[in-house]
Amino acid sequence: AQRVTQPEKLLSVFKGAPVELKCNYSYSGSPELFWYVQYSRQRLQLLLRHISRESIKGFTADLNKGETSFHLKKPFAQEEDSAMYYCALIDSGAGSYQLTFGKGTKLSVIP
Amino acid sequence: DGGITQSPKYLFRKEGQNVTLSCEQNLNHDAMYWYRQDPGQGLRLIYYSQIVNDFQKGDIAEGYSVSREKKESFPLTVTSAQKNPTAFYLCASSMGLPWDNEQFFGPGTRLTVL
Repeated sequence: AQRVTQPEKLLSVFKGAPVELKCNYSYSGSPELFWYVQYSRQRLQLLLRHISRESIKGFTADLNKGETSFHLKKPFAQEEDSAMYYCALIDSGAGSYQLTFGKGTKLSVIP
Repeated sequence: DGGITQSPKYLFRKEGQNVTLSCEQNLNHDAMYWYRQDPGQGLRLIYYSQIVNDFQKGDIAEGYSVSREKKESFPLTVTSAQKNPTAFYLCASSMGLPWDNEQFFGPGTRLTVL
């Protein structure tokens, strides 16, 4: 079964410092990976997906199949980045598009 | 805001009672999902439905039941068989297509069983 691991429950960085939220996965097929974010008092929402190779709000994530990682990075953290971040993997091979989530990392950006 | 609505926001029930959580979407999405969110556990899939009148068990379906009689509605019943029902429940929907599988989430329902 697929698994998504986010090793850090909490990550605190100073404003302007680089951010890296770690995500490792185990999956036998060809994975589709996502980062979802939940800001305070807001709904969980998609931040970015690896297949789009996009940068959203300054965040990027590169799929490294050799290391089975999909770390989320931003060169300069902003206070508004403080939120709960979830890495997720979709099991497209099963034809059901179920999402398997990691346990999440709470990012706190210190002013 | 519209999209996906869940009601109520907070729900209290006595132990041993069944309770039904509502989830409605006006996004014309085929697929709908129920997750349970516990502190330190992330989101775990309870049930999902890819099309009307069809649904599948997720990872933690025991003690829960669902129905999908209409495209826009996917209610979840937490039965008395669920051993630890107190949790935050999230509903989501998606197009359910390979090229468009972004999930949109509702605001959630916090269930407390006394």
